[in-house]
Amino acid sequence: QKEVEQNSGPLSVPEGAIASLNCTYSDRGSQSFFWYRQYSGKSPELIMSIYSNGDKEDGRFTAQLNKASQYVSLLIRDSQPSDSATYLCAVIGGGADGLTFGKGTHLIIQP
Amino acid sequence: ETGVTQTPRHLVMGMTNKKSLKCEQHLGHNAMYWYKQSAKKPLELMFVYSLEERVENNSVPSRFSPECPNSSHLFLHLHTLQPEDSALYLCASSQEGVFGYGYTFGSGTRLTVV
Repeated sequence: QKEVEQNSGPLSVPEGAIASLNCTYSDRGSQSFFWYRQYSGKSPELIMSIYSNGDKEDGRFTAQLNKASQYVSLLIRDSQPSDSATYLCAVIGGGADGLTFGKGTHLIIQP
Repeated sequence: ETGVTQTPRHLVMGMTNKKSLKCEQHLGHNAMYWYKQSAKKPLELMFVYSLEERVENNSVPSRFSPECPNSSHLFLHLHTLQPEDSALYLCASSQEGVFGYGYTFGSGTRLTVV
């Protein structure tokens, strides 16, 4: 059973600070890694993808991947109240099984 | 219309009813998916279609029946559902088949079984 683990939170971060979200996965054959943002009552929205070890930056978002440790993280700099949402980590493995999602981390940015 | 469109947005049905959920993608993708999202559970993959052929079924009960008539349309036919089937049902599409990158999700259908 392929698993993706996230701390469900809530994670509370003051406005303007860095929010750090973490994710671990069980399948060493996993190839691609994604972060989705989901507002309450809405569908998931892709915000970052990463495929190789290291960091990938896009605006205020940085995704970090460490395949040896089977660990993916998302950093949000200069956090805004509009960043308050549930962040879903998702992984594609080596088989024909689509995206596997974690339960998500509920992030709250306090004004 | 752009992106992935799902209808209806909300559905209430009795356990003896038959209904269908519809999904349409306008992105030129060649793979489509049904996911189920229940409270406090991860998104669960139900069905995968690549090039209109069903690739993955993940042991979903037979009361859920998918149909993919072409690469742009996906249906989920529902019959004799149980109250525990109440959830948000999400359709998604991607390019590059079942190993596609960056799935695009529709807005979902909020299903309540009474």
